[in-house]
Amino acid sequence: GAGVSQTPSNKVTEKGKYVELRCDPISGHTALYWYRQSLGQGPEFLIYFQGTGAADDSGLPNDRFFAVRPEGSVSTLKIQRTERGDSAVYLCASTRQDAPEKLFFGSGTQLSVL
Amino acid sequence: GNSVTQMEGPVTLSEEAFLTINCTYTATGYPSLFWYVQYPGEGLQLLLKATKADDKGSNKGFEATYRKETTSFHLEKGSVQVSDSAVYFCALSDRYSSASKIIFGSGTRLSIRP
Repeated sequence: GAGVSQTPSNKVTEKGKYVELRCDPISGHTALYWYRQSLGQGPEFLIYFQGTGAADDSGLPNDRFFAVRPEGSVSTLKIQRTERGDSAVYLCASTRQDAPEKLFFGSGTQLSVL
Repeated sequence: GNSVTQMEGPVTLSEEAFLTINCTYTATGYPSLFWYVQYPGEGLQLLLKATKADDKGSNKGFEATYRKETTSFHLEKGSVQVSDSAVYFCALSDRYSSASKIIFGSGTRLSIRP
């Protein structure tokens, strides 16, 4: 079946611009996670959703970052006034309710802020 | 807060060598512990898990034992193969029965020589 889908796969933007990154989880998965991964580092937790609500957004670095999941399926990570330091791979993952520890990751969106 | 520390790589071994990748954690309460693996060109995937002290997780010849007294979860394999070349991430979550924040270490790159 289809895995976690993230679009776009690559995004190049200029400093100060607004970007949206989309995640389509596996159908029926209840929890959805966003992580950020810099080169040579592990995934850094940003936020996770249980259904439509953000259950834990403690990893969002500042108020330029925001994420939504309005219908409990697709999620969008929004970054305002992008900075060069936001450049990274943004990973999305989803989990089944009966296996909450088994994250299924997408291929990520490579964000480059020039 | 909760955190995971794992040995820095890269680790380079010959085929059939014994592998250990060290991982220690800091957590309040009783976290669940995981090893995730990222093969070249693929997304992260769960390799094995342990949910309580003295549990041993195992998969594909890899093993790790949850050691509460040393706060460790070292990954071992008795005889590595070229196909084990990948990046390995130690991770923890503070709940098992439901979705929760999952924190990753920085990763250890493993290369196996034929």
